[in-house]
Amino acid sequence: DVKVTQSSRYLVKRTGEKVFLECVQDMDHENMFWYRQDPGLGLRLIYFSYDVKMKEKGDIPEGYSVSREKKERFSLILESASTNQTSMYLCASSQPTGKGGNIQYFGAGTRLSVL
Amino acid sequence: SQQGEEDPQALSIQEGENATMNCSYKTSINNLQWYRQNSGRGLVHLILIRSNEREKHSGRLRVTLDTSKKSSSLLITASRAADTASYFCATSGYSTLTFGKGTMLLVSP
Repeated sequence: DVKVTQSSRYLVKRTGEKVFLECVQDMDHENMFWYRQDPGLGLRLIYFSYDVKMKEKGDIPEGYSVSREKKERFSLILESASTNQTSMYLCASSQPTGKGGNIQYFGAGTRLSVL
Repeated sequence: SQQGEEDPQALSIQEGENATMNCSYKTSINNLQWYRQNSGRGLVHLILIRSNEREKHSGRLRVTLDTSKKSSSLLITASRAADTASYFCATSGYSTLTFGKGTMLLVSP
């Protein structure tokens, strides 16, 4: 079974803190994704990566950055956390469309509260 | 972006009944997928239907796709309380998926 592991289920941070959300997948997938999920807004793509050290902006990249130094690990960074970044963050991985239909496998999510 | 939109937003049924959820999207797609999310958890892939397919089955799930109307439906037959969850359609571009806002299904015993 594909396993995508997010380092924390719940996280509470203060405004202005630098926050790291970590995600690890064990299926040698090339693509990795970070989403945020908010009530009434659904899932919105923040960033994705299709290879080590490669990244692409999604729909809402402002206020976030990412790092992918190894194939299995994709980190989301909030440089200076703000209250409007309080949300559920979901990590996912997939093979490219040609190899697997772009089926995404998700972690359990990190619920981040910024106070 | 080619966003899917689910309808209805919420659906409440009794165990044993069938549940039907619909999804509409705006542009051409490679495939369309349905995912399920239990409360407070990550999404789980249910089924994928390619753009050249019209219908697909998986256990109690039946998905249809009408590319001329840019719409899809997910039917869950003989619903169980354990089917209570949110269901999302997702349209596939080359590397990314675009998710709708979901249908919240409540199945009462």
